Formats: sequence, structure tokens, C-alpha cells
Amino acid sequence: QKEVEQDPGPLSVPEGAIVSLNCTYSNSAFQYFMWYRQYSRKGPELLMYTYSSGNKEDGRFTAQVDKSSKYISLFIRDSQPSDSATYLCAMSDPGGAQKLVFGQGTRLTINP
Amino acid sequence: NAGVTQTPKFQVLKTGQSMTLQCAQDMNHNSMYWYRQDPGMGLRLIYYSASEGTTDKGEVPNGYNVSRLNKREFSLRLESAAPSQTSVYFCASSITLDRYEQYFGPGTRLTVT
Repeated sequence: QKEVEQDPGPLSVPEGAIVSLNCTYSNSAFQYFMWYRQYSRKGPELLMYTYSSGNKEDGRFTAQVDKSSKYISLFIRDSQPSDSATYLCAMSDPGGAQKLVFGQGTRLTINP
Repeated sequence: NAGVTQTPKFQVLKTGQSMTLQCAQDMNHNSMYWYRQDPGMGLRLIYYSASEGTTDKGEVPNGYNVSRLNKREFSLRLESAAPSQTSVYFCASSITLDRYEQYFGPGTRLTVT
């Protein structure tokens, strides 16, 4: 079993929809949680960073961490075609950034 | 402010050839990382450098070597390329190992035939 599981999709939604992207994990020591956006043939771009549990909001993006369920989510409101990309979750225990574990990514397409 | 830059963008090698992938960052970060990205596998850490003068193995170091040339530059060398090393390689950096936000370069697409 992988430490981090992420549905690879693809996920296709109409413009303006609310998108929910999710990851589950097995390591209860994970404390640091990130979401990256990766456009086709580009490098991952840090989108959201959360420490421990709770919610974090940045514009149209909301990250949620539920440590009791070992489940993290990224919500995109009022989705735009420019949001079409692969979204990677990443997480780590407190042992240092070299221990970051990535999900395999969910490919998202927003249709105009 | 270019962030993290990588050269080359693309490379095709024959089995047994060697090459060096170059990475540089201008964010004054102490820690740097090399990852490979393969379909269905996510990003996997090859080597990292906590600070100038130090390097350590990651999850998949076999077949690779690294050099932390100075604070800005971190190179990855394939001494004898194998088809299993066909992948997309990303360099990343962070302020220190205690800061978990990593910033990635644009990647190098390597094909080994």
C-alpha cells in the first residue's frame, strides 16, 4: 500500500463548477501538507501549504486537512479553464523536507 | 528573479552514455533536491543537499551521483545511462530542510535508448 493515495482521474468538469480533489494517507506522523499544480510539460508550482489540521483559504482555493480520517482535500471554487492541470498532493512528517511524499497527481480539465 | 532553472530541457542518450543535468537557484535557499517523475509513480527523491557542502541519498539514488557546486548550483550526473532512467527530472529548492515548501524548476525530459 502506498503511503499517499490520490485518484489519477482524469476529472472533467464544466467551467464555474466547484472542484474537489482528495488524497488519503496512512502515516499518522504526517504534519505538513501541500498542494502543487503542474501544467503540462512544466514543473510543479506550490499552491497551498497547511500545517497540521484545519482549513486554509487563498482566493478561490481552499485546503482542508482531516487528520482523524487521514484525508486532505483541495477545493476550487468558480473553476476556470486556466485551472486545467494536474494537481499533486504532498505531505511529510517532521523529519525534514527531504521526507516529502507525493501523490501521483489528479489530472483536471475545466471545460468552457 | 528566475527561481529554479534547469538545463538542458530535453536530452536523448544511448545506453551507456553519461551526462550531467544542471540546476541553479537564485532564491538564496540552502537546501536543494533532485526528483524523477514517472507515470503512475509520482515524484521520487533521488538525492538532496541540506546545505552547501553536504549531499545525501534519497529514495532512488542508484545510478546517479550529485555535486553541490556552491550554494546556488546542484548537478545530477548519470555515469552510464540505462533505459530505466528515461524520465522527467526536476530540481527543487527550499529555504532549509525545516521549511517544507519546495520550489521546482521546469524539468529535463531525458530519453535513454
